[in-house]
Amino acid sequence: EAQVTQNPRYLITVTGKKLTVTCSQNMNHEYMSWYRQDPGLGLRQIYYSMNVEVTDKGDVPEGYKVSRKEKRNFPLILESPSPNQTSLYFCASSADRGPYEQYFGPGTRLTVT
Amino acid sequence: AQSVAQPEDQVNVAEGNPLTVKCTYSVSGNPYLFWYVQYPNRGLQFLLKYITGDNLVKGSYGFEAEFNKSQTSFHLKKPSALVSDSALYFCAGSLSFSGGYNKLIFGAGTRLAVHP
Repeated sequence: EAQVTQNPRYLITVTGKKLTVTCSQNMNHEYMSWYRQDPGLGLRQIYYSMNVEVTDKGDVPEGYKVSRKEKRNFPLILESPSPNQTSLYFCASSADRGPYEQYFGPGTRLTVT
Repeated sequence: AQSVAQPEDQVNVAEGNPLTVKCTYSVSGNPYLFWYVQYPNRGLQFLLKYITGDNLVKGSYGFEAEFNKSQTSFHLKKPSALVSDSALYFCAGSLSFSGGYNKLIFGAGTRLAVHP
C-alpha cells in the first residue's frame, strides 16, 4: 500500500529535550516536505527536500532541522524544543516537481511543556 | 504576497442539500489549485486539482470545484451532502520557483458540518 508513515503519532516532552520525528514514504517520491498545522493558520511549510541531500527552508524553519540521506526518509529534528513548537506536524511527499498532489502522513501531535 | 483564503471558518449543511466551501486565491501567473480533506486524527487526503483546461473539475467522493479566473475563486461543491462529508477542508495554491518546484500555500481551513 502506498503510504507516508510518521512516528511517533503522539509525543509529550519537556523544553530543551532533543527529539526526532521520523517520516518515511514507499512511493519512490523525490519531493518531501514538513508542515505544521495550527488552528486558524492552516498548514505552514517548515522544510522541504527536492532530492537526497537537497533540502531548503520553508516558511517557518526556525527551531527545526531536517536531513535527507535516503530517498524514502525525511526526519524532522527539534534540537531544543520550546512550548511554541507545540503543534500538529505532517510529513508529505509528491512525485515530481510539477503540480502533483502531495501525499500526507497521519500526523504527529507534539506537546512541549 | 501570494495567498489562499477560505472566508468561512465553518459551513453547516443539512444532509441531502447542496454544499459549497469557498476559496479565493492570490497567486501570480497560472495558478495550480487543490482541495484536500482532513478527517479526525487523519492526514490530509487529496480531493481534486485544477491545472488548466475545463473550469469545472471533478474529484473524489462526488466533489467538484469550479475555477473562476475573473473572481479568483475555486469553490468546492457537492450536489447532495452526506453526514460522512463532515470534515475539515483545505484549499491550497501552488507556486512555481525557478527550480521548478511547486510549493503549496494552504488556506486556514473550513470545517464542514453536515446534519442529519
